[in-house]
Amino acid sequence: KNEVEQSPQNLTAQEGEFITINCSYSVGISALHWLQQHPGGGIVSLFMLSSGKKKHGRLIATINIQEKHSSLHITASHPRDSAVYICAALNTGNQFYFGTGTSLTVIP
Amino acid sequence: DAGVIQSPRHEVTEMGQEVTLRCKLISGHNSLFWYRQTMMRGLELLIYFNNNVPIDDSGMPEDRFSAKMPNASFSTLKIQPSEPRDSAVYFCASSLSGRNEQFFGPGTRLTVL
Repeated sequence: KNEVEQSPQNLTAQEGEFITINCSYSVGISALHWLQQHPGGGIVSLFMLSSGKKKHGRLIATINIQEKHSSLHITASHPRDSAVYICAALNTGNQFYFGTGTSLTVIP
Repeated sequence: DAGVIQSPRHEVTEMGQEVTLRCKLISGHNSLFWYRQTMMRGLELLIYFNNNVPIDDSGMPEDRFSAKMPNASFSTLKIQPSEPRDSAVYFCASSLSGRNEQFFGPGTRLTVL
């Protein structure tokens, strides 16, 4: 069993739709990261959070420590949001555990 | 700032050869992470340094892999001897400290024939 599970694995949405990507983890964490990897391969760190909610533009990340669950939301999705989104948990021993990623395609 | 700089961007080599990947941190950052990404295993943390000191190298696959930080702004990842199963994209990332947002380099695509 993976320490970090993401769902869905693949997601196709129409432009403008509200999107949710889920991440569940089984380890005790000090922080959870959301990463975005574009088709060209570059990786960008979107959020690092340890509690509550963070917002950046159309992106919102939430985390529920008790339920060991985090979500990444994209409002008013756009084709340029098409990418792989990766959830990574940093445990209290400073070890990283990565989800397998969610491949998002937003169709115009 | 130019961001995290990695070189080379692409490397093709033959099995048994030594490979050295290089990474320059963002100025002022003191934590450095080396990652490997493959289709089969996804993204894996190999090793990370804080203030030039290796903190966790449990992800380093085997003794053929070694990583160093000869100074506060530069790191190398060496594979010797290389094997075809080492073919992957290797990313390095830096942060202000190990628990802050990480900034990724563009990656080095390594192919071992």
